[in-house]
Order: sequence, then structure tokens, then C-alpha cells
Amino acid sequence: GIQVEQSPPDLILQEGANSTLRCNFSDSVNNLQWFHQNPWGQLINLFYIPSGTKQNGRLSATTVATERYSLLYISSSQTTDSGVYFCAVGLPGGSEKLVFGKGTKLTVNP
Amino acid sequence: NAGVTQTPKFQVLKTGQSMTLQCAQDMNHNSMYWYRQDPGMGLRLIYYSASEGTTDKGEVPNGYNVSRLNKREFSLRLESAAPSQTSVYFCASRTRRSFQFTDTQYFGPGTRLTVL
Repeated sequence: GIQVEQSPPDLILQEGANSTLRCNFSDSVNNLQWFHQNPWGQLINLFYIPSGTKQNGRLSATTVATERYSLLYISSSQTTDSGVYFCAVGLPGGSEKLVFGKGTKLTVNP
Repeated sequence: NAGVTQTPKFQVLKTGQSMTLQCAQDMNHNSMYWYRQDPGMGLRLIYYSASEGTTDKGEVPNGYNVSRLNKREFSLRLESAAPSQTSVYFCASRTRRSFQFTDTQYFGPGTRLTVL
């Protein structure tokens, strides 16, 4: 099956720093989403980004489908950005299934 | 709107006991999902339902059954719980609008299950 690799596994930042999280996938996909899981366990969808670039406030995401990777950028990080960031991909053919990576745990210190 | 709700929030079972995890969504979504999350493993799909009346296996279906009771509700049943099923269980529903180029899964708050 498809492999989804996220890096780095752990990241510690000072408030105000910028960061880039990476998601590599092993096969063609027609769906790619980024999620944030806060320290209390709640999962929130950040982006649907199977290709191209999107921005939402301090967060932006870019997917280069032909090279099978996606990047999540966090600028001017805040303590509320702490948590785990997951990348999830869906396979071509209209599959309902999303395959998740193991996540990047981000800690933003004040 | 409440979004996606799950009950219970916490549960402790003994090996061999059965239980049903309940999930409901009020967003009129067709697709619903059950995932489990284990430390260091990310989320893995157990079962999903693309529409009312249909269910399909995900990545890790063994030991589980599901019921799509109606469009709102999707339940997950453990018939004979095992310690390997200790995990956090998340229910999700999905909206997909091709013309708006959006596809979003909304997650419930999770159920933390311990099997002794």
C-alpha cells in the first residue's frame, strides 16, 4: 500500500519562529489533507491540498504532486500551534480511504 | 450545530466484554468513518460508510463491526474486546464539494478505551 512519511517527527520552537513540515508519499494521490491535533486530542482539518498552494493566515501549504511531497509552513509560531500535525492522502479512483502519516509533534515554547 | 459527537468519552472493559461506540453528525454528510489512534502510529481506518446503508472495511477491521443506522449515526461494536484494542477511537464525517475544490473531514472528540 501507499506509504506516507512525515518529517521531522519532533520539532521544538521558540514563539515567533518559522517552521516547515514535510510529507512524502510513495504513489500518486488525488487527495491530500493536513490536520492539526491539539494537546487535548481534537483533530482539525487545516488544508485540502492535492496540488498547488494555499494560505490561511500564518499557515500555508504546498503540494508538488509530480514529486510526491507536500510542505506545511507555519510562520510566526504561537504556543497555540503546539500539537501534532498529520498529513493524510487518498488514492486515485475516488477512494473513500485516507492514509495518515505518523505525524510531526510540534512544541512551541513561550 | 454540534458537529460530530461521540459517546462515551472514556471506557474501561475487561477482556471478552462487548461494547458499542456511538457516533452522530448533524451536518448532513454522506460519508462517515471510524479510526483508531495508537501512540506513534497516526490514525488508522477501521471501517467507513460512503452513504446510508453501505459499509466497507478499512485498514484494520478485524475484531470490529459497524452499523450505519441512518444518515446521522454510525456505530462501532467490539464483540469480544482484547487488550490490543486499547486505543483512542475517532469518528469522522466528510464533506466533499468538487465544484468548490474542497474535501474536509470533521472529527469527533474521541473515545479513550482501555481493555484490561
